[in-house]
Parts: sequence; C-alpha cells; structure tokens
Amino acid sequence: EAQVTQNPRYLITVTGKKLTVTCSQNMNHEYMSWYRQDPGLGLRQIYYSMNVEVTDKGDVPEGYKVSRKEKRNFPLILESPSPNQTSLYFCASSLAGEREQYFGPGTRLTVT
Amino acid sequence: LAKTTQPISMDSYEGQEVNITCSHNNIATNDYITWYQQFPSQGPRFIIQGYKTKVTNEVASLFIPADRKSSTLSLPRVSLSDTAVYYCLVGDREAGSYQLTFGKGTKLSVIP
Repeated sequence: EAQVTQNPRYLITVTGKKLTVTCSQNMNHEYMSWYRQDPGLGLRQIYYSMNVEVTDKGDVPEGYKVSRKEKRNFPLILESPSPNQTSLYFCASSLAGEREQYFGPGTRLTVT
Repeated sequence: LAKTTQPISMDSYEGQEVNITCSHNNIATNDYITWYQQFPSQGPRFIIQGYKTKVTNEVASLFIPADRKSSTLSLPRVSLSDTAVYYCLVGDREAGSYQLTFGKGTKLSVIP
C-alpha cells in the first residue's frame, strides 16, 4: 500500500531533550516536506527536500533540522525542543513536478 | 507566490451543493490552482486542480473564470462526511508541490 508513515504518532517530552520524528514513504517520491499545524494558523511548511541531500527552509524553520540521506526517509530533528514547538506535525511527499502531495497521519508533539 | 483568500467557514445542509470560492488576484500565468481537503486530526488530501475553465472528477468540480482571479470548488450533494477544512492553493506548475503554501482554509460544516 502506497503510504507515508510517521513515528511516533504521539510524543510528550520535556524542554531541551533532543528528539527525532521519523518520516518514510514507499512511493519513490523525490519531494518530501514537513509541516506544522497550529490552531488558527493553518499549515506552515518547516523544511522541504527536492531529492537526496537537497533540503531547503520553508516558512518556519527555526528550531528544526532535517536530513535526506535516503530517498524514502526524511527525519525531523528538534535539537532542543521548547514549549512553542508543541504542535501537530505532518510529513508529506510527492513526485517531482507534481502538485499532489501525500500526507502522513501526523505526529502530535507536546513539549512541557 | 500568489496569495489566496477564502471564507473562514461555511455551513450547509446535507444534500445541498456547496460552492467555496477562492480569490487569487495576483495569480501568475504559470500558476495552477489546487484544492486540498483535511479531516480533523488527519493530513490534507488532494482533491482537484486546474488551470482554466472547468475540471471535474469523482469528488468535486473546479470552476475557473477566464481572468483566473478566482476559482470555485463545487461539492455536489454534500453529506456529513464532507465536514472538513478545504484549502485553496496556487503555485507554479513547473515547481510542482514545493511552492504550495497552505493558508487557513475554509471550514465546512455539514448539518443534518
């Protein structure tokens, strides 16, 4: 089944404790992206990757890191999480040049 | 990137046709119009996209007037399961999905 998977789905952590949210797709998509969604603010792009080893900042990259060492994986790293990073995070992927993105199920992160 | 404006919310009764209009006054020549649907606690899902005139698929129709400064997503005979947030996005077709910026969307509530 074609899908984007994210892990974990739910995470509660404390300020400053490094964490990684994994994202994997099995559709051989070149493009992958991370978004965060907050009430009243809609979906905002954090980082995106056009292909392996190619990443770029989205609208709200501060406090996040990404890497794209393999085509199928695009992990989101929070080196020192803070409470303002409490949010619902989505990973998405698509073929290069296509506007139809496939979204993962979301990761709900709470930083206390 | 062209900015879009949509109503924040809409209500409709079951069985009615719903039209959600999106304004994009600064749309560029190469821009396509794409609509996504998002159910609570799920990632957005691609619905339809178009460049001009009318596009129809099994889920919705998209009407785009000649000046392309607006577009209308039409959902025929809505049911309770169509309650969701609908996003209108515009972006360069050649850029694929990496230039897609999600706004706050239109929250559609279908009433029994």
